[in-house]
Amino acid sequence: DAGVTQSPTHLIKTRGQQVTLRCSPKSGHDTVSWYQQALGQGPQFIFQYYEEEERQRGNFPDRFSGHQFPNYSSELNVNALLLGDSALYLCASSHTEQGWNEKLFFGSGTQLSVL
Amino acid sequence: AQSVTQLGSHVSVSEGALVLLRCNYSSSVPPYLFWYVQYPNQGLQLLLKYTSAATLVKGINGFEAEFKKSETSFHLTKPSAHMRDAAEYFCAVSPSGYSTLTFGKGTMLLVSP
Repeated sequence: DAGVTQSPTHLIKTRGQQVTLRCSPKSGHDTVSWYQQALGQGPQFIFQYYEEEERQRGNFPDRFSGHQFPNYSSELNVNALLLGDSALYLCASSHTEQGWNEKLFFGSGTQLSVL
Repeated sequence: AQSVTQLGSHVSVSEGALVLLRCNYSSSVPPYLFWYVQYPNQGLQLLLKYTSAATLVKGINGFEAEFKKSETSFHLTKPSAHMRDAAEYFCAVSPSGYSTLTFGKGTMLLVSP
Protein backbone atom coordinates (compact mmCIF):
# COMPACT_ATOMS: atom_id res chain seq x y z
CA ASP A 1 0.00 0.00 0.00
CA ALA A 2 1.61 3.24 -1.19
CA GLY A 3 -0.17 5.48 1.29
CA VAL A 4 -0.80 9.11 0.39
CA THR A 5 1.56 10.42 -2.27
CA GLN A 6 2.12 14.07 -3.16
CA SER A 7 4.01 15.69 -5.98
CA PRO A 8 6.20 17.55 -6.37
CA THR A 9 8.08 17.44 -3.07
CA HIS A 10 9.54 20.91 -3.51
CA LEU A 11 8.61 23.84 -5.69
CA ILE A 12 9.94 27.37 -6.16
CA LYS A 13 7.75 30.02 -7.75
CA THR A 14 7.75 33.80 -8.03
CA ARG A 15 5.07 36.22 -6.92
CA GLY A 16 2.09 36.37 -9.25
CA GLN A 17 2.60 32.94 -10.73
CA GLN A 18 0.21 30.03 -10.50
CA VAL A 19 0.95 26.59 -9.05
CA THR A 20 -0.66 23.15 -9.11
CA LEU A 21 0.00 20.53 -6.46
CA ARG A 22 -1.08 16.91 -6.79
CA CYS A 23 -2.20 14.21 -4.39
CA SER A 24 -3.05 10.53 -4.70
CA PRO A 25 -4.99 9.18 -1.72
CA LYS A 26 -4.40 5.95 0.14
CA SER A 27 -5.96 2.96 -1.55
CA GLY A 28 -9.63 2.62 -0.59
CA HIS A 29 -10.03 6.23 0.51
CA ASP A 30 -12.54 8.51 -1.17
CA THR A 31 -12.06 11.83 0.63
CA VAL A 32 -9.16 14.24 0.20
CA SER A 33 -8.39 17.22 2.42
CA TRP A 34 -5.75 19.89 1.90
CA TYR A 35 -3.91 21.72 4.67
CA GLN A 36 -1.41 24.59 4.69
CA GLN A 37 1.34 24.44 7.30
CA ALA A 38 3.32 27.65 7.61
CA LEU A 39 6.69 27.59 9.34
CA GLY A 40 6.26 27.17 13.09
CA GLN A 41 2.50 26.70 12.85
CA GLY A 42 0.07 23.83 12.91
CA PRO A 43 -1.72 22.75 9.74
CA GLN A 44 -4.65 24.93 8.65
CA PHE A 45 -7.55 23.42 6.76
CA ILE A 46 -7.98 24.69 3.21
CA PHE A 47 -10.75 22.49 1.78
CA GLN A 48 -12.01 18.96 1.40
CA TYR A 49 -13.19 17.04 -1.67
CA TYR A 50 -15.60 14.14 -1.88
CA GLU A 51 -17.33 12.76 -4.97
CA GLU A 52 -15.48 15.34 -7.07
CA GLU A 53 -17.05 18.25 -5.21
CA GLU A 54 -15.81 20.64 -2.55
CA ARG A 55 -17.57 19.57 0.63
CA GLN A 56 -16.00 21.84 3.25
CA ARG A 57 -13.83 24.94 3.01
CA GLY A 58 -11.66 26.78 5.48
CA ASN A 59 -10.91 30.47 5.65
CA PHE A 60 -8.84 30.77 2.48
CA PRO A 61 -9.36 33.18 -0.44
CA ASP A 62 -10.71 32.16 -3.82
CA ARG A 63 -7.16 32.13 -5.17
CA PHE A 64 -7.06 28.66 -3.66
CA SER A 65 -9.06 26.16 -5.69
CA GLY A 66 -9.10 22.45 -6.13
CA HIS A 67 -10.33 19.50 -8.04
CA GLN A 68 -10.97 15.84 -7.44
CA PHE A 69 -10.88 13.29 -10.23
CA PRO A 70 -12.95 10.11 -10.64
CA ASN A 71 -10.03 8.03 -9.32
CA TYR A 72 -10.18 10.16 -6.10
CA SER A 73 -6.85 11.90 -6.76
CA SER A 74 -6.86 15.64 -6.23
CA GLU A 75 -5.17 18.88 -7.24
CA LEU A 76 -4.70 22.10 -5.34
CA ASN A 77 -4.31 25.24 -7.44
CA VAL A 78 -3.12 28.58 -6.16
CA ASN A 79 -3.32 31.65 -8.40
CA ALA A 80 -1.54 34.99 -8.10
CA LEU A 81 0.97 33.68 -5.60
CA LEU A 82 1.96 35.87 -2.66
CA LEU A 83 5.06 35.64 -0.50
CA GLY A 84 2.78 34.54 2.34
CA ASP A 85 1.75 31.45 0.42
CA SER A 86 5.14 29.93 1.15
CA ALA A 87 4.39 26.87 3.26
CA LEU A 88 4.25 23.11 3.41
CA TYR A 89 1.05 21.91 1.74
CA LEU A 90 -0.26 18.67 3.11
CA CYS A 91 -2.78 16.34 1.57
CA ALA A 92 -4.75 13.96 3.79
CA SER A 93 -7.05 11.16 2.75
CA SER A 94 -9.77 9.31 4.61
CA HIS A 95 -12.85 7.18 4.11
CA THR A 96 -16.13 9.02 4.44
CA GLU A 97 -18.15 6.18 5.92
CA GLN A 98 -15.65 5.79 8.75
CA GLY A 99 -15.98 9.42 9.82
CA TRP A 100 -14.01 11.44 7.36
CA ASN A 101 -11.95 13.29 9.94
CA GLU A 102 -11.60 10.58 12.57
CA LYS A 103 -8.52 9.12 11.00
CA LEU A 104 -6.61 11.13 8.45
CA PHE A 105 -3.64 9.72 6.57
CA PHE A 106 -1.24 12.46 5.56
CA GLY A 107 1.23 12.66 2.73
CA SER A 108 4.74 14.04 3.21
CA GLY A 109 3.73 17.33 1.69
CA THR A 110 4.87 19.76 -0.98
CA GLN A 111 7.18 22.53 0.20
CA LEU A 112 6.28 25.67 -1.76
CA SER A 113 8.61 28.65 -1.72
CA VAL A 114 7.43 31.91 -3.27
CA LEU A 115 10.18 34.42 -4.09
CA ALA B 1 -15.56 27.81 17.47
CA GLN B 2 -12.86 25.37 18.44
CA SER B 3 -9.32 26.19 19.47
CA VAL B 4 -6.29 24.41 20.87
CA THR B 5 -3.43 25.71 22.98
CA GLN B 6 -0.25 23.71 23.29
CA LEU B 7 1.90 24.91 26.17
CA GLY B 8 5.57 24.98 25.28
CA SER B 9 6.86 25.12 21.73
CA HIS B 10 9.80 22.92 22.79
CA VAL B 11 10.06 20.23 25.47
CA SER B 12 13.39 18.56 26.31
CA VAL B 13 13.69 15.25 28.15
CA SER B 14 16.38 12.67 28.75
CA GLU B 15 16.04 9.18 27.35
CA GLY B 16 14.05 7.08 29.82
CA ALA B 17 12.34 10.09 31.41
CA LEU B 18 8.62 10.80 31.50
CA VAL B 19 7.20 12.66 28.52
CA LEU B 20 4.40 15.17 29.17
CA LEU B 21 3.07 17.35 26.35
CA ARG B 22 0.27 19.71 27.28
CA CYS B 23 -2.86 20.50 25.33
CA ASN B 24 -5.84 22.61 26.38
CA TYR B 25 -8.87 23.02 24.19
CA SER B 26 -11.85 25.27 23.81
CA SER B 27 -15.04 23.85 22.40
CA SER B 28 -18.71 24.76 22.55
CA VAL B 29 -19.73 21.11 22.16
CA PRO B 30 -18.28 17.81 23.42
CA PRO B 31 -15.09 17.60 21.43
CA TYR B 32 -13.27 14.99 19.47
CA LEU B 33 -9.57 15.30 20.36
CA PHE B 34 -6.50 14.04 18.53
CA TRP B 35 -2.75 13.85 18.86
CA TYR B 36 -0.66 13.65 15.70
CA VAL B 37 3.12 13.24 15.38
CA GLN B 38 5.27 14.64 12.57
CA TYR B 39 8.74 13.23 12.01
CA PRO B 40 11.22 15.28 9.94
CA ASN B 41 10.32 15.43 6.25
CA GLN B 42 7.22 13.35 6.78
CA GLY B 43 3.49 13.97 7.01
CA LEU B 44 1.46 13.77 10.19
CA GLN B 45 0.63 10.39 11.72
CA LEU B 46 -2.28 9.80 14.10
CA LEU B 47 -1.07 8.80 17.58
CA LEU B 48 -4.43 8.55 19.30
CA LYS B 49 -7.92 10.02 19.42
CA TYR B 50 -10.69 10.66 21.93
CA THR B 51 -14.22 10.35 20.59
CA SER B 52 -16.37 10.44 23.77
CA ALA B 53 -15.70 6.89 24.92
CA ALA B 54 -13.11 6.05 27.60
CA THR B 55 -11.38 9.14 28.99
CA LEU B 56 -7.97 7.45 29.06
CA VAL B 57 -6.90 6.75 25.52
CA LYS B 58 -4.00 4.53 24.57
CA GLY B 59 -2.22 5.12 21.30
CA ILE B 60 0.68 3.83 19.31
CA ASN B 61 4.33 3.77 20.40
CA GLY B 62 3.42 3.66 24.12
CA PHE B 63 1.73 7.06 24.23
CA GLU B 64 -1.52 7.76 26.05
CA ALA B 65 -3.68 10.78 26.80
CA GLU B 66 -6.38 11.54 29.34
CA PHE B 67 -9.44 13.65 28.58
CA LYS B 68 -10.27 15.89 31.55
CA LYS B 69 -13.44 17.85 30.91
CA SER B 70 -13.16 19.91 34.12
CA GLU B 71 -9.71 21.12 33.08
CA THR B 72 -10.45 21.22 29.32
CA SER B 73 -7.22 19.32 28.85
CA PHE B 74 -5.96 16.40 26.80
CA HIS B 75 -2.30 16.01 27.79
CA LEU B 76 -0.10 13.43 26.07
CA THR B 77 2.19 11.22 28.17
CA LYS B 78 4.68 8.41 27.80
CA PRO B 79 6.36 6.79 30.81
CA SER B 80 9.81 6.43 29.24
CA ALA B 81 11.14 8.47 26.32
CA HIS B 82 13.12 6.92 23.48
CA MET B 83 15.40 8.70 21.06
CA ARG B 84 13.03 7.75 18.26
CA ASP B 85 10.26 9.81 19.93
CA ALA B 86 12.00 13.03 18.93
CA ALA B 87 9.52 14.74 16.62
CA GLU B 88 6.89 17.47 16.56
CA TYR B 89 3.56 16.71 18.19
CA PHE B 90 0.27 18.37 17.33
CA CYS B 91 -2.96 18.39 19.31
CA ALA B 92 -6.18 18.91 17.35
CA VAL B 93 -9.88 19.38 18.14
CA SER B 94 -13.04 18.82 16.16
CA PRO B 95 -16.74 19.00 17.07
CA SER B 96 -17.33 15.61 15.47
CA GLY B 97 -15.80 12.99 13.23
CA TYR B 98 -17.35 14.79 10.27
CA SER B 99 -15.99 18.26 10.85
CA THR B 100 -12.70 19.93 10.16
CA LEU B 101 -9.82 19.65 12.58
CA THR B 102 -8.31 22.68 14.27
CA PHE B 103 -4.65 22.09 15.10
CA GLY B 104 -2.46 23.64 17.75
CA LYS B 105 0.90 25.18 16.89
CA GLY B 106 2.79 22.06 17.86
CA THR B 107 5.38 21.07 20.45
CA MET B 108 8.81 19.89 19.42
CA LEU B 109 10.00 17.03 21.63
CA LEU B 110 13.77 16.80 22.02
CA VAL B 111 15.24 13.64 23.55
CA SER B 112 18.81 13.60 24.78
CA PRO B 113 20.86 10.48 25.55
